[in-house]
Amino acid sequence: ELKVEQNPLFLSMQEGKNYTIYCNYSTTSDRLYWYRQDPGKSLESLFVLLSNGAVKQEGRLMASLDTKARLSTLHITAAVHDLSATYFCAVDKVDSNYQLIWGAGTKLIIKP
Amino acid sequence: DAMVIQNPRYQVTQFGKPVTLSCSQTLNHNVMYWYQQKSSQAPKLLFHYYDKDFNNEADTPDNFQSRRPNTSFCFLDIRSPGLGDAAMYLCATSRPGLAGAYEQYFGPGTRLTVT
Repeated sequence: ELKVEQNPLFLSMQEGKNYTIYCNYSTTSDRLYWYRQDPGKSLESLFVLLSNGAVKQEGRLMASLDTKARLSTLHITAAVHDLSATYFCAVDKVDSNYQLIWGAGTKLIIKP
Repeated sequence: DAMVIQNPRYQVTQFGKPVTLSCSQTLNHNVMYWYQQKSSQAPKLLFHYYDKDFNNEADTPDNFQSRRPNTSFCFLDIRSPGLGDAAMYLCATSRPGLAGAYEQYFGPGTRLTVT
């Protein structure tokens, strides 16, 4: 069964701290997507990682992809309250690359 | 700005009363998706269209139907809503991009309440 597993599922942290969210997947896909969702809102694309070793950064967020380990990480540097949201990772279905298999999401709360 | 638009943003319907949700896009993307998302869960794909080809997920209830009359518009019909159908309904679009990636762009969603 194709799986995308995120951990942790819930993370509460203090402003100014660093932390990493992990996304493991069981497919052979080499494309991985990170999305952000604010409470009661829709999903916003953050990063598209297209190959092994890909690294992308936007502000305090940095995402990387290791296709050999089937692992992506989303690293948060010096967290600020505005980054509080739920973060989803997703990978392409192998037999249908325009469909995604989603992780369960990581709910991140950053306390002032 | 190019975007994905959903109407209405909030819909209240009675148990068993048909409802239609709409989605339009100005991105000229060839793939459109309907997702259902319940609180604290990942989005669940209901249907997608690749160009005119319609694809129904195996576990999408028969109560849900969809129409795509043209490239820009897509509708989700819920024939007889039950209490369990209360959720956020998200429309998304995509097209092939760099390295064949289909990054999905989401509309703001329609929050459906069933009374």
